[in-house]
Amino acid sequence: NAGVTQTPKFRVLKTGQSMTLLCAQDMNHEYMYWYRQDPGMGLRLIHYSVGEGTTAKGEVPDGYNVSRLKKQNFLLGLESAAPSQTSVYFCASSSQATGEYYGYTFGSGTRLTVV
Amino acid sequence: KNEVEQSPQNLTAQEGEFITINCSYSVGISALHWLQQHPGGGIVSLFMLSSGKKKHGRLIATINIQEKHSSLHITASHPRDSAVYICAPLFPYGGSQGNLIFGKGTKLSVKP
Repeated sequence: NAGVTQTPKFRVLKTGQSMTLLCAQDMNHEYMYWYRQDPGMGLRLIHYSVGEGTTAKGEVPDGYNVSRLKKQNFLLGLESAAPSQTSVYFCASSSQATGEYYGYTFGSGTRLTVV
Repeated sequence: KNEVEQSPQNLTAQEGEFITINCSYSVGISALHWLQQHPGGGIVSLFMLSSGKKKHGRLIATINIQEKHSSLHITASHPRDSAVYICAPLFPYGGSQGNLIFGKGTKLSVKP
Protein backbone atom coordinates (compact mmCIF):
# COMPACT_ATOMS: atom_id res chain seq x y z
CA ASN A 1 0.00 0.00 0.00
CA ALA A 2 1.21 3.50 -0.83
CA GLY A 3 2.15 5.63 2.12
CA VAL A 4 4.80 6.39 4.69
CA THR A 5 6.63 3.54 6.39
CA GLN A 6 8.62 4.00 9.58
CA THR A 7 11.06 1.55 11.05
CA PRO A 8 11.45 0.41 13.74
CA LYS A 9 8.06 0.64 15.49
CA PHE A 10 9.51 0.25 18.99
CA ARG A 11 12.98 0.61 20.45
CA VAL A 12 14.58 0.77 23.87
CA LEU A 13 17.97 2.45 24.07
CA LYS A 14 20.44 2.96 26.87
CA THR A 15 21.63 6.48 27.56
CA GLY A 16 24.51 7.31 25.24
CA GLN A 17 23.63 4.76 22.56
CA SER A 18 23.00 5.81 19.01
CA MET A 19 20.34 4.79 16.54
CA THR A 20 18.75 5.75 13.24
CA LEU A 21 15.06 5.90 12.48
CA LEU A 22 14.12 5.31 8.88
CA CYS A 23 11.21 6.89 7.04
CA ALA A 24 10.32 5.80 3.51
CA GLN A 25 7.57 7.15 1.26
CA ASP A 26 6.47 5.93 -2.14
CA MET A 27 4.29 8.86 -3.18
CA ASN A 28 7.06 10.92 -4.80
CA HIS A 29 6.50 13.69 -2.24
CA GLU A 30 9.02 16.50 -2.18
CA TYR A 31 8.61 17.40 1.48
CA MET A 32 9.38 15.16 4.45
CA TYR A 33 9.24 15.83 8.18
CA TRP A 34 10.19 14.34 11.51
CA TYR A 35 8.03 15.16 14.55
CA ARG A 36 8.04 14.09 18.14
CA GLN A 37 4.93 13.70 20.29
CA ASP A 38 5.11 13.99 24.06
CA PRO A 39 2.29 13.69 26.60
CA GLY A 40 0.33 16.90 27.01
CA MET A 41 1.98 18.56 24.03
CA GLY A 42 1.23 18.89 20.37
CA LEU A 43 3.50 17.32 17.80
CA ARG A 44 6.68 19.32 17.42
CA LEU A 45 8.83 19.57 14.32
CA ILE A 46 12.39 18.26 14.72
CA HIS A 47 13.79 18.58 11.20
CA TYR A 48 12.35 18.72 7.74
CA SER A 49 13.41 18.48 4.12
CA VAL A 50 12.07 20.28 1.08
CA GLY A 51 13.82 18.00 -1.40
CA GLU A 52 16.53 15.45 -1.98
CA GLY A 53 19.82 16.55 -0.48
CA THR A 54 18.31 19.36 1.60
CA THR A 55 17.45 19.48 5.29
CA ALA A 56 16.48 22.21 7.75
CA LYS A 57 15.97 22.58 11.48
CA GLY A 58 12.55 22.69 13.00
CA GLU A 59 11.36 23.69 16.44
CA VAL A 60 13.31 21.11 18.52
CA PRO A 61 16.39 19.99 16.53
CA ASP A 62 18.97 19.65 19.33
CA GLY A 63 20.33 16.14 19.77
CA TYR A 64 19.14 14.96 16.36
CA ASN A 65 20.59 14.82 12.88
CA VAL A 66 18.90 14.00 9.59
CA SER A 67 19.79 13.06 6.04
CA ARG A 68 17.85 12.94 2.77
CA LEU A 69 20.18 11.24 0.32
CA LYS A 70 17.31 9.79 -1.69
CA LYS A 71 13.98 11.50 -2.35
CA GLN A 72 11.99 8.64 -0.88
CA ASN A 73 13.95 8.29 2.38
CA PHE A 74 14.39 10.60 5.36
CA LEU A 75 16.60 9.36 8.20
CA LEU A 76 16.58 10.66 11.77
CA GLY A 77 19.66 9.98 13.85
CA LEU A 78 20.28 10.14 17.56
CA GLU A 79 24.04 10.20 18.12
CA SER A 80 23.99 9.94 21.93
CA ALA A 81 20.53 9.17 23.25
CA ALA A 82 19.27 10.91 26.39
CA PRO A 83 16.21 10.12 28.53
CA SER A 84 14.69 13.44 27.36
CA GLN A 85 14.46 11.90 23.90
CA THR A 86 11.98 9.31 25.11
CA SER A 87 9.01 10.05 22.87
CA VAL A 88 6.89 8.87 19.99
CA TYR A 89 8.38 9.92 16.67
CA PHE A 90 6.31 10.48 13.56
CA CYS A 91 7.47 10.92 10.03
CA ALA A 92 5.30 12.65 7.47
CA SER A 93 5.49 13.62 3.84
CA SER A 94 3.60 16.16 1.79
CA SER A 95 3.14 17.08 -1.81
CA GLN A 96 3.98 20.41 -3.30
CA ALA A 97 1.14 22.83 -3.42
CA THR A 98 -1.25 21.98 -6.22
CA GLY A 99 -4.02 24.48 -6.16
CA GLU A 100 -4.93 24.79 -2.50
CA TYR A 101 -4.16 21.26 -1.37
CA TYR A 102 -1.10 20.42 0.67
CA GLY A 103 -1.57 16.70 1.32
CA TYR A 104 0.09 15.29 4.42
CA THR A 105 0.59 11.57 5.02
CA PHE A 106 1.87 10.31 8.35
CA GLY A 107 3.76 7.18 9.28
CA SER A 108 2.52 4.94 12.07
CA GLY A 109 5.08 6.19 14.58
CA THR A 110 8.13 4.88 16.44
CA ARG A 111 7.91 4.56 20.20
CA LEU A 112 11.41 5.19 21.61
CA THR A 113 12.35 4.74 25.24
CA VAL A 114 15.76 5.84 26.51
CA VAL A 115 16.73 4.37 29.89
CA LYS B 1 5.09 33.08 19.03
CA ASN B 2 2.89 30.82 16.94
CA GLU B 3 0.16 29.41 19.14
CA VAL B 4 -2.73 27.03 18.61
CA GLU B 5 -5.48 26.61 21.16
CA GLN B 6 -8.04 23.82 21.00
CA SER B 7 -11.14 23.41 23.10
CA PRO B 8 -12.33 21.40 24.80
CA GLN B 9 -9.33 19.27 25.80
CA ASN B 10 -11.58 16.33 26.63
CA LEU B 11 -15.08 15.58 25.47
CA THR B 12 -17.44 12.76 26.35
CA ALA B 13 -20.60 12.37 24.33
CA GLN B 14 -23.47 9.95 23.94
CA GLU B 15 -23.89 8.17 20.64
CA GLY B 16 -25.88 10.31 18.24
CA GLU B 17 -24.89 13.66 19.70
CA PHE B 18 -23.63 16.57 17.61
CA ILE B 19 -19.98 17.32 18.43
CA THR B 20 -18.09 20.59 18.00
CA ILE B 21 -14.35 21.04 18.51
CA ASN B 22 -12.87 24.51 18.26
CA CYS B 23 -9.44 25.75 17.22
CA SER B 24 -8.01 29.26 17.38
CA TYR B 25 -4.58 30.41 16.32
CA SER B 26 -2.47 33.49 16.76
CA VAL B 27 -1.19 34.57 13.34
CA GLY B 28 -2.36 34.74 9.76
CA ILE B 29 -2.25 31.45 7.91
CA SER B 30 -2.94 30.15 4.43
CA ALA B 31 -4.43 26.78 5.37
CA LEU B 32 -5.32 24.53 8.28
CA HIS B 33 -5.47 20.78 8.73
CA TRP B 34 -7.71 18.70 10.93
CA LEU B 35 -6.17 15.37 11.88
CA GLN B 36 -7.46 12.29 13.66
CA GLN B 37 -5.25 10.17 15.91
CA HIS B 38 -6.63 6.75 16.73
CA PRO B 39 -6.09 5.03 20.09
CA GLY B 40 -3.45 2.88 18.40
CA GLY B 41 -1.49 6.03 17.56
CA GLY B 42 -1.88 6.37 13.81
CA ILE B 43 -2.54 9.88 12.44
CA VAL B 44 -4.85 10.51 9.53
CA SER B 45 -5.44 13.80 7.77
CA LEU B 46 -9.20 14.53 7.68
CA PHE B 47 -9.36 17.93 6.01
CA MET B 48 -7.25 20.72 4.65
CA LEU B 49 -9.05 24.07 4.60
CA SER B 50 -8.12 27.47 3.31
CA SER B 51 -11.59 29.04 3.39
CA GLY B 52 -15.24 28.31 4.00
CA LYS B 53 -16.47 24.84 4.77
CA LYS B 54 -15.76 21.24 3.77
CA LYS B 55 -17.85 18.14 4.40
CA HIS B 56 -16.89 14.49 4.32
CA GLY B 57 -19.52 12.06 5.45
CA ARG B 58 -20.54 13.02 8.99
CA LEU B 59 -17.59 15.37 9.41
CA ILE B 60 -17.81 19.08 8.68
CA ALA B 61 -14.93 21.54 9.01
CA THR B 62 -15.23 25.31 8.84
CA ILE B 63 -12.67 28.08 8.92
CA ASN B 64 -12.80 31.85 9.28
CA ILE B 65 -9.39 33.13 8.24
CA GLN B 66 -10.09 36.69 9.39
CA GLU B 67 -11.26 35.54 12.84
CA LYS B 68 -8.36 33.04 13.07
CA HIS B 69 -10.75 30.28 14.05
CA SER B 70 -11.77 26.86 12.80
CA SER B 71 -14.28 24.28 13.97
CA LEU B 72 -14.70 20.57 13.40
CA HIS B 73 -18.21 19.16 13.70
CA ILE B 74 -19.29 15.55 13.89
CA THR B 75 -22.95 14.82 13.23
CA ALA B 76 -24.65 11.72 14.64
CA SER B 77 -21.56 10.74 16.60
CA HIS B 78 -20.67 7.05 16.92
CA PRO B 79 -18.33 5.14 19.27
CA ARG B 80 -15.94 4.59 16.34
CA ASP B 81 -15.42 8.37 16.26
CA SER B 82 -13.60 8.07 19.59
CA ALA B 83 -10.12 9.45 18.94
CA VAL B 84 -7.97 12.51 19.46
CA TYR B 85 -8.70 15.31 16.99
CA ILE B 86 -5.85 17.66 16.23
CA CYS B 87 -5.94 21.10 14.67
CA ALA B 88 -2.80 22.05 12.73
CA PRO B 89 -2.58 25.44 11.06
CA LEU B 90 -0.01 25.87 8.32
CA PHE B 91 2.15 28.70 9.60
CA PRO B 92 4.27 30.72 7.17
CA TYR B 93 7.75 29.80 8.35
CA GLY B 94 10.51 27.58 7.09
CA GLY B 95 10.19 28.13 3.39
CA SER B 96 7.53 28.78 0.81
CA GLN B 97 5.28 25.93 1.85
CA GLY B 98 5.27 26.78 5.55
CA ASN B 99 5.07 24.26 8.35
CA LEU B 100 2.32 22.86 10.53
CA ILE B 101 1.96 23.90 14.15
CA PHE B 102 -0.12 21.37 16.06
CA GLY B 103 -2.67 21.89 18.76
CA LYS B 104 -2.57 19.61 21.81
CA GLY B 105 -5.63 17.78 20.58
CA THR B 106 -9.15 17.11 21.80
CA LYS B 107 -9.77 13.64 23.18
CA LEU B 108 -13.26 12.54 22.18
CA SER B 109 -14.98 9.58 23.72
CA VAL B 110 -18.39 8.57 22.37
CA LYS B 111 -20.38 6.23 24.60
CA PRO B 112 -22.94 3.79 23.16
